[in-house]
Amino acid sequence: AQSVTQLGSHVSVSEGALVLLRCNYSSSVPPYLFWYVQYPNQGLQLLLKYTSAATLVKGINDFEAEYKKSETSFHLTKPSAHMSDAAEYFCALGGANNLFFGTGTRLTVIP
Amino acid sequence: GAVVSQHPSWVICKSGTSVKIECRSLDFQATTMFWYRQFPKQSLMLMATSNEGSKATYEQGVEKDKFLINHASLTLSTLTVTSAHPEDSSFYICSARLGVYEQYFGPGTRLTVT
Repeated sequence: AQSVTQLGSHVSVSEGALVLLRCNYSSSVPPYLFWYVQYPNQGLQLLLKYTSAATLVKGINDFEAEYKKSETSFHLTKPSAHMSDAAEYFCALGGANNLFFGTGTRLTVIP
Repeated sequence: GAVVSQHPSWVICKSGTSVKIECRSLDFQATTMFWYRQFPKQSLMLMATSNEGSKATYEQGVEKDKFLINHASLTLSTLTVTSAHPEDSSFYICSARLGVYEQYFGPGTRLTVT
């Protein structure tokens, strides 16, 4: 069965600090993995994707994620948090006909 | 590129009326679109998969007679909430598939049923 687990429904970081949002997945086939960001009352915006090429994936706004097969993880990081990064982040796994979403992590940035 | 729009962005309707929400892929063709529902502070719940030129596939527990989906062209899918009730109030988001797994999302529609 395919599933996505996001550890930590709420993460708080200080402005300028490292952002780390955790995502683990379960998949019986090589995974396609995505990170999306959602700002209040808006749809989801694709941050980055892993599609079996380089394991370290760079996305928009200095976000990046590393695919680790041995750990079945796809954690999202950003070296220095900005106030504008405050949002809900969703990790997703590509399935046969759809995406499987994690439950989301709300990122708060403290000035 | 890969822009998806939704209209309206916000709608209020009276109980018992119907509401139509449009989802358009603006710069690509999408044979498959998806409709999601999102409750406050929760993840997205897939309601149905919309395929151009064929009937939509509904997820378990979603009433197909209540949530009518039409995918009449490669750039337009519509969701009609029929005989809306207050419990149908929610944030509805559509997406369009590009490639094998990649989905691009619309900005969402906030439906309030009074």
